[in-house]
Amino acid sequence: SQQGEEDPQALSIQEGENATMNCSYKTSINNLQWYRQNSGRGLVHLILIRSNEREKHSGRLRVTLDTSKKSSSLLITASRAADTASYFCATGTGANNLFFGTGTRLTVIP
Amino acid sequence: KAGVTQTPRYLIKTRGQQVTLSCSPISGHRSVSWYQQTPGQGLQFLFEYFSETQRNKGNFPGRFSGRQFSNSRSEMNVSTLELGDSALYLCASSLASSDYGYTFGSGTRLTVV
Repeated sequence: SQQGEEDPQALSIQEGENATMNCSYKTSINNLQWYRQNSGRGLVHLILIRSNEREKHSGRLRVTLDTSKKSSSLLITASRAADTASYFCATGTGANNLFFGTGTRLTVIP
Repeated sequence: KAGVTQTPRYLIKTRGQQVTLSCSPISGHRSVSWYQQTPGQGLQFLFEYFSETQRNKGNFPGRFSGRQFSNSRSEMNVSTLELGDSALYLCASSLASSDYGYTFGSGTRLTVV
C-alpha cells in the first residue's frame, strides 16, 4: 500500500503546549499535504509543501519535509482546545489523487 | 464563496439496493475527486474527474461508478450495495488537480443494513 503512516496514533496535551505529529511515506512525491478532520466531517486543508521545499509555516503551523527519509512532521504551537481533531498527511504523486495517512488523533485539554 | 456541497448528508439503504450521491464543487474548480472513509481502511481514493473525463480510478469494484457534468457537478453511484459499503463518502474539489490541494465537502454518511 502507498498509504502513509502517522505517528503517534493519538496524542493528548494541555492547552498552550506544542503538538508534533509525524508522517512517513513510501514512494517519491510531488508534494505532501496536511489536513484536519473534526468528528467525522469533511477534511480541511491546512498546508501544502512541495518536494523541493524543506520547511513551511502558516500561522501556528510548521511543516518540515525530508524527502531522503520520506518523512514529514507537523508542529502546532501554543495549542488550543479548538485544535482537537484528527490530522492526516497526504502525498501527491502527480497522478491526480492523494494517498492519505492513517491519521493522528489530537486531544487538547483546556 | 460557497464551499463544496454534498447531498444527502445521511443515507440508510438496504443490501442489494443502489445509491447515488451528489457533489457540487466550488465555482471554478474543474477537478472533482471522491474518497471513501472507513475506520478499518481509512481514506481510500475512488476516482477523479476533470472536465467530464475520468482521469484516475482507485482500486474499487465496478459497482462503484461516477460521472461529471459540464457544470463540474459530480455524482457517484454504488450498485448492489453490500454491508461493507457503509462509510463516509467524501467529495473534494480542486482548481485542476490534487497538487493544488483539495477543498472537501462535509461528506455523505451511508449506512447499509
